Amino acid sequence: EAQVTQNPRYLITVTGKKLTVTCSQNMNHEYMSWYRQDPGLGLRQIYYSMNVEVTDKGDVPEGYKVSRKEKRNFPLILESPSPNQTSLYFCASSPRTAMEAFFGQGTRLTVV
Amino acid sequence: SQKIEQNSEALNIQEGKTATLTCNYTNYSPAYLQWYRQDPGRGPVFLLLIRENEKEKRKERLKVTFDTTLKQSLFHITASQPADSATYLCAGTGKLIFGQGTTLQVKP
Repeated sequence: EAQVTQNPRYLITVTGKKLTVTCSQNMNHEYMSWYRQDPGLGLRQIYYSMNVEVTDKGDVPEGYKVSRKEKRNFPLILESPSPNQTSLYFCASSPRTAMEAFFGQGTRLTVV
Repeated sequence: SQKIEQNSEALNIQEGKTATLTCNYTNYSPAYLQWYRQDPGRGPVFLLLIRENEKEKRKERLKVTFDTTLKQSLFHITASQPADSATYLCAGTGKLIFGQGTTLQVKP
């Protein structure tokens, strides 16, 4: 089944403790992207990747890192999480940016 | 900066009526606009894509328009049903940026 898989689905962590949210797609898509969703603010893009080893900042990249060492995986790294990073996170992939995007199930992160 | 804007106020309509949602873009000219549906706590699901040289696109009860002069896309759901209640998101390419979404509530 074609899908985008994020893990974990839920995470509660403490300020400053490094964490990684994984994202994997099995559709051989070139384009992958991370978003955070907060009430009233919609989906805001954190980072995106046009292909392997090609990543770029979105609108809200501060406090986040990404890597794209292989086509299927695009992990989101929070080196030192803070409470303002409490949010619902989505990973998405598509063959190209102009084409239909497929989203993961979401990761609800709480930083205390 | 590039922006996609949607009316963040909820839209409430009666079952059977046509719902019309608006998407405006500023500071860029997307070659494509996409529309997604999102249910609470779930990821967005793709509905329709329209190219800048297409005036209108239809899929079953859905219709999307793209007006490059007004820098606007309209999304219509005809013969709306309570099951259409959800948040609808507009997105522009390039790097696929989204509007805030408009929540539609269809009352029986």
